[in-house]
Parts: sequence; C-alpha cells; structure tokens
Amino acid sequence: AQKITQTQPGMFVQEKEAVTLDCTYDTSDPSYGLFWYKQPSSGEMIFLIYQGSYDQQNATEGRYSLNFQKARKSANLVISASQLGDSAMYFCAMNFGGSQGNLIFGKGTKLSVKP
Amino acid sequence: DAGVIQSPRHEVTEMGQEVTLRCKPISGHNSLFWYRQTMMRGLELLIYFNNNVPIDDSGMPEDRFSAKMPNASFSTLKIQPSEPRDSAVYFCASSDFIGGAQDTQYFGPGTRLTVL
Repeated sequence: AQKITQTQPGMFVQEKEAVTLDCTYDTSDPSYGLFWYKQPSSGEMIFLIYQGSYDQQNATEGRYSLNFQKARKSANLVISASQLGDSAMYFCAMNFGGSQGNLIFGKGTKLSVKP
Repeated sequence: DAGVIQSPRHEVTEMGQEVTLRCKPISGHNSLFWYRQTMMRGLELLIYFNNNVPIDDSGMPEDRFSAKMPNASFSTLKIQPSEPRDSAVYFCASSDFIGGAQDTQYFGPGTRLTVL
C-alpha cells in the first residue's frame, strides 16, 4: 500500500537553529515524487520543495533541503537557520504520476520556533 | 501571477442547505484537484479533473457531493444537502499535468465550511 508516515506530531526548535522533520514512505512503484508543504495558522498550503525518485542529488530551495535516502524510503525536510515565521504545520506528500495524479499526504508535523 | 483562487473563504450554513464552493485554477494549468482537510482524516482527495474531464472521483463521499468543471478556468464543488459532518476545509489545487510524478500542485487558500 502507498503510504506516507510522519512520526513527529510536534517539534520545537530554537530560532536560528536547524531542524529536521521526518518523513518515511511506502511504495513499490519505482517512479514517484516527494513534496513538502507548509501550512501556517492562516490555513493556506504552500509548496516548499520537490524530490523525484530518480534524482541523484538532494533537492534544495533556499533554507529548505530534502535529505533523500531512497534505500531507507525516507525524505526528511531540513530547515536551516529557523525563523519565527517557520512556525507551522508541515506535510510530506507523494505523487506517482501517470493516471494517478493525486497527492497522498502524511498527517503532518507541527513545528514551533522559539525566540 | 495570480495563484489558485477560491471562494468563499468561509461559509457557515445550516444542515440541509445547498453549498457551492468555487475555484479558479492558475491560468495555463490543465489539472484541478479538490481536497478536504479534517482533523480526523487529514487531507484527502475528493476528485480531480484533467482538461476539464473528471478522472478520479472515488474520493467523493456520497451522492450529496458533486463537482463540475465547465471550462479550464472554473470549477465548482457542490454539497446538497449539507450535513454537520461535512464541516471541513476544502482546498482546490491545480497543476500543469504532464503525467509525471514531478507534477507540482499549487493550492488555493481553502474554504472553511461549517455546517450547523
């Protein structure tokens, strides 16, 4: 079964420190995409970063990077130099392409950045 | 560039009433998705369209829910009659779908529906 697991319901990090949010996935499909979205308290879903299953290098977008370990089926999000505005829910999601266009989401991790 | 636009942002209605949620996808995107978010079930797909054609509606809870996409720039999700258990945040998302796993979906701000 295709599944995304985020085991950390809540995380705390000190401002300016780095934090890693965990995501593991389960699939037998060789082609898939992994995404991270941020949902602040205002409610919108903001796309952060994408990693393809065939990508050789880990994805990076500004302060966001994705630690992709294919053999372990993990795609952890690393946020460097945390800011107060990073406090939000973070969702890991997976897409398989083809006719199955929808995203499968994890349950999310609530990140709180402390000043 | 305008993102995905949803209206209304908040809707409060009474049980039994008809509710219509609206979505305008990003211009040029050819796929549109409706998701529902609840505390109990998280984010789940209701239906998605490709080139205005419904591709997968297996997530639509029951016959009370219906969705249409009459053209590339507009979609509606209708609930008739509404029930309290329909209370949730409904998201619309769009993508430039080419059938690959890299297709990135961009979400609208959501509609928070409360059915009393």
